[in-house]
Amino acid sequence: GAVVSQHPSRVICKSGTSVKIECRSLDFQATTMFWYRQFPKQSLMLMATSNEGSKATYEQGVEKDKFLINHASLTLSTLTVTSAHPEDSSFYICSALNKTGGINEQFFGPGTRLTVL
Amino acid sequence: GEDVEQSLFLSVREGDSSVINCTYTDSSSTYLYWYKQEPGAGLQLLTYIFSNMDMKQDQRLTVLLNKKDKHLSLRIADTQTGDSAIYFCAESIPGTASKLTFGTGTRLQVTL
Repeated sequence: GAVVSQHPSRVICKSGTSVKIECRSLDFQATTMFWYRQFPKQSLMLMATSNEGSKATYEQGVEKDKFLINHASLTLSTLTVTSAHPEDSSFYICSALNKTGGINEQFFGPGTRLTVL
Repeated sequence: GEDVEQSLFLSVREGDSSVINCTYTDSSSTYLYWYKQEPGAGLQLLTYIFSNMDMKQDQRLTVLLNKKDKHLSLRIADTQTGDSAIYFCAESIPGTASKLTFGTGTRLQVTL
């Protein structure tokens, strides 16, 4: 199956700093990627849809200036958490949409655990 | 908005069958999915069902869909300790670029 990687897998940063998370589709091209946030023992909350070559589409309640998304190539989307604060600590998961085959399937990355001190 | 609900926890003995249930609210969803999440990891697609189907079987997995009641279930036959994980159902959001709404997740614990 298609493989999606995320980097870093875990990051600890100080409050006020910015953190960049990368999401890569390793063996397919993805014009659409998704960014999710997952709190402990909770479901995935869609933050935004990342579109290659255009602006991301943010879900209601997600601050676009806080969570900067760049999808500059067909295999890479980045999420930058700007001026991170402890409440931004969470598990961030990306997925890449593979449109080949019978259905449009999202392939998920392994996630990035962000801890803001 | 759509709400997709699941029971929080299920415990079964190894070798028994597990049935994980899901209720959803958007009757126009085209596809419904089951994902598995192991601790500290991303999601793995287990199976999916098209909305015009009632049942789909894939090896140890059986998906049942009751559109009238908006009820989806996942049955795992001969449950193994490696099946211990969190299981999420998800529904596609019509008219979107394959956006999904995820259920609340069910933690499956398999005991010896």
